[in-house]
Amino acid sequence: QVQLVESGGGVVQPGRSLRLSCAASGFTFSSFGMHWVRQAPGQGLEWVAVIRYDGTNKYYADSVKGRFTISRDNSKSTLYLQMNSLRAEDTAVYYCAKESYGSGSTDYWGQGTLVTVSS
Amino acid sequence: QSALTQPASVSGSPGQSITISCTGTSSDFGVYNYVSWYQQRPGKAPKLIIYNISKRPSGVSDRFSGSKSDNTASLTISGLQAEDEADYYCSSYTYIRIVFGGGTKLTVL
Repeated sequence: QVQLVESGGGVVQPGRSLRLSCAASGFTFSSFGMHWVRQAPGQGLEWVAVIRYDGTNKYYADSVKGRFTISRDNSKSTLYLQMNSLRAEDTAVYYCAKESYGSGSTDYWGQGTLVTVSS
Repeated sequence: QSALTQPASVSGSPGQSITISCTGTSSDFGVYNYVSWYQQRPGKAPKLIIYNISKRPSGVSDRFSGSKSDNTASLTISGLQAEDEADYYCSSYTYIRIVFGGGTKLTVL
């Protein structure tokens, strides 16, 4: 069965960096686009970034553009999110999600990892 | 990248039907008709319940249905059950980004 397991969250000071990972299993990782979506405490879902199946194209939300970098290692079936220059407003649960081919939806989500940006 | 507009809350009694709207602009929805709906229970990850405006993933109850007219998408839940109490989010995918609605809290009275 499809499994997505995020890791790397924690408490970090403003201005510092953090790298999240998402280990995928149960499907052919190299065939699907992958997304990061975040949810601030008590708030709604916010899309963060997407990377195509082969890593050739990446797109970001304006709120993270220039600070966050999405990447993937298809040989390890792992998705990453490098987060630099973190701000308090980046505090959220970060989910990785598998794109469903041809539907524009995300059919599987991880359990999320909490990132808290605080001094 | 403004969010799609959803009502903050809706409620209904068991057995009733409710509809949640999701309003955006033509640029929000694009040309792909990639409108999806997600159900999120407290402390859990979102779960896909509708994709491509009206299609249901395998295993999702047929009590959930979706539609779209012009720049408004809708999710209808018929035969409300206590287990349907959750937050519901619409989304639109325009190839280079996903836009989510602000979310609607469904209370089953």
